[in-house]
Amino acid sequence: DGGITQSPKYLFRKEGQNVTLSCEQNLNHDAMYWYRQDPGQGLRLIYYSQIVNDFQKGDIAEGYSVSREKKESFPLTVTSAQKNPTAFYLCASSGTGGRGEQYFGPGTRLTVT
Amino acid sequence: DQQVKQNSPSLSVQEGRISILNCDYTNSMFDYFLWYKKYPAEGPTFLISISSIKDKNEDGRFTVFLNKSAKHLSLHIVPSQPGDSAVYFCAASPGWQGTYKYIFGTGTRLKVLA
Repeated sequence: DGGITQSPKYLFRKEGQNVTLSCEQNLNHDAMYWYRQDPGQGLRLIYYSQIVNDFQKGDIAEGYSVSREKKESFPLTVTSAQKNPTAFYLCASSGTGGRGEQYFGPGTRLTVT
Repeated sequence: DQQVKQNSPSLSVQEGRISILNCDYTNSMFDYFLWYKKYPAEGPTFLISISSIKDKNEDGRFTVFLNKSAKHLSLHIVPSQPGDSAVYFCAASPGWQGTYKYIFGTGTRLKVLA
């Protein structure tokens, strides 16, 4: 079955540690995205990538980093510089042109204490 | 400043009745709109889209209406079912930027009462 996988579902880290969230898709989509959702807020764009080896900052990129070495994979690293890392993180992908719908993974809830 | 607004945080509807979820946007350059449904601790699921060249798009029980002059879109669900209970997000694409960015509203929690 085609889809987007994110792992793990729940992740716990100590403050000051970097953590990498996994996102894999087998939809053959060119574009991939990372969003963050906080209670009572919409989805906010962290980073997006339109093509392999290229990515762009979204609206809230500070404290995050990404890589896009393969079409299928778009990992997100939450660094210790991110001031409020506890959130629900969602990965998405979209097909040609990126103007169509985005398909989302199940999300990773990160808790930093 | 919130460019895409869903001013009703929650809505309760009786099963079988119509659910109407509203979304307002501020920038007339937005030209493509999406609606998503989200269950707790899951990723959003795409429901329906509409381009600014249309004023209505229908898919089964779901219809989206776009009023460009009012910068307003709405999602109608008829008839509403208990399984429709979820948070609904609208999203708008600022196509003039030539990017793949969507701006999401804050969501409306729909509860369909059996």
